Amino acid sequence: GQQLNQSPQSMFIQEGEDVSMNCTSSSIFNTWLWYKQDPGEGPVLLIALYKAGELTSNGRLTAQFGITRKDSFLNISASIPSDVGIYFCAGQFRAGANNLFFGTGTRLTVIP
Amino acid sequence: DTEVTQTPKHLVMGMTNKKSLKCEQHMGHRAMYWYKQKAKKPPELMFVYSYEKLSINESVPSRFSPECPNSSLLNLHLHALQPEDSALYLCASSQDHPSYNEQFFGPGTRLTVL
Repeated sequence: GQQLNQSPQSMFIQEGEDVSMNCTSSSIFNTWLWYKQDPGEGPVLLIALYKAGELTSNGRLTAQFGITRKDSFLNISASIPSDVGIYFCAGQFRAGANNLFFGTGTRLTVIP
Repeated sequence: DTEVTQTPKHLVMGMTNKKSLKCEQHMGHRAMYWYKQKAKKPPELMFVYSYEKLSINESVPSRFSPECPNSSLLNLHLHALQPEDSALYLCASSQDHPSYNEQFFGPGTRLTVL
């Protein structure tokens, strides 16, 4: 399968700090998605990106579709305790009913 | 309604049992998916249904049998599973749109095979 590498693998930050994480692939994707997963729950969609260079925000979250189409970035501003969880990037080669290839995940811990 | 529901939440079964996982969505989505997620790993695709027809089978063993009775429902029939099949099974749905294909996930079924 496709290998999407996320970094960092885990982060411990103080409440109020900003967070940055990224995802890189050896393949070009047409779609990048970012999900958050809490323990024992399903992934929740945060942001979807469809164009190279696209910058999209959802509240305190901002994500970018890399120009090379092989990477994507997620930033969280002014973190709060409920931001705790595992963040996954996911790439898709083409639209329609097709596979999402998930990154390895970034585990975020926010210290109050 | 923007929810994908899955039942049961938890399932424990023996290797000789037959059980089924159920998934339902009422968002009018025409694509539905089964993913398997092992602990501390990302989800991995098992099956894709598009317009109620199986379009992708990621070489899943035949002890897993998917079924799509209608556009809102997706089942996964389980028979003669192995302990290593224990995992979180996730259902997802999407529009199957030519340009936009955001997948929405259910809460999952935690399966334990004894």
